[in-house]
Amino acid sequence: AQTVTQSQPEMSVQEAETVTLSCTYDTSESDYYLFWYKQPPSRQMILVIRQEAYKQQNATENRFSVNFQKAAKSFSLKISDSQLGDAAMYFCAYSPGGGSNYKLTFGKGTLLTVNP
Amino acid sequence: DAGVIQSPRHEVTEMGQEVTLRCKPISGHNSLFWYRQTMMRGLELLIYFNNNVPIDDSGMPEDRFSAKMPNASFSTLKIQPSEPRDSAVYFCASSGGGTVTYEQYFGPGTRLTVT
Repeated sequence: AQTVTQSQPEMSVQEAETVTLSCTYDTSESDYYLFWYKQPPSRQMILVIRQEAYKQQNATENRFSVNFQKAAKSFSLKISDSQLGDAAMYFCAYSPGGGSNYKLTFGKGTLLTVNP
Repeated sequence: DAGVIQSPRHEVTEMGQEVTLRCKPISGHNSLFWYRQTMMRGLELLIYFNNNVPIDDSGMPEDRFSAKMPNASFSTLKIQPSEPRDSAVYFCASSGGGTVTYEQYFGPGTRLTVT
């Protein structure tokens, strides 16, 4: 079974600084997708960024980027120029590719605090 | 697009009562997922549907839980009878469409409290 591990229960960063959230996963599949979701206090789950395992290039969305290391099964999220609105719980998630199996397996989450 | 719609947003009920949670997926999406989030267990997938057919219900905790998707635009999650340990936030999510996509879009969730 696939597992997703986020080893940092909590992280903090100063406004305008850069922070990296860690995620590792375990799978025997070669085709899969990885995601980072953000959950602010409103509890809405918001998709931040997506990475396809077959792509070597790391995904980037504005101030958010990932460092995808397939061999190491590592998928970290870097937030640049942190803003107060980035404060939230961040979840790493895995989905197998192919067929119709779109199950998402989530990590336990990392609570990010942004200090002014 | 209105996004995934869930109702009610909050539900408070007494133990033993029936609870029905509702979800309207994003139009055109063909996969629908029900999750439960608690502090102790995090986010858990309860069941998911593809083209209105239940594909995997292995996450449904017990027979008190049931889910239906009578058509592509509506799904329900029912708990009967409810118990205090069912208190959680229940999310509905949808994905899919004309091209294969694996990202799921979540509704705002229903916070259920069973007293």
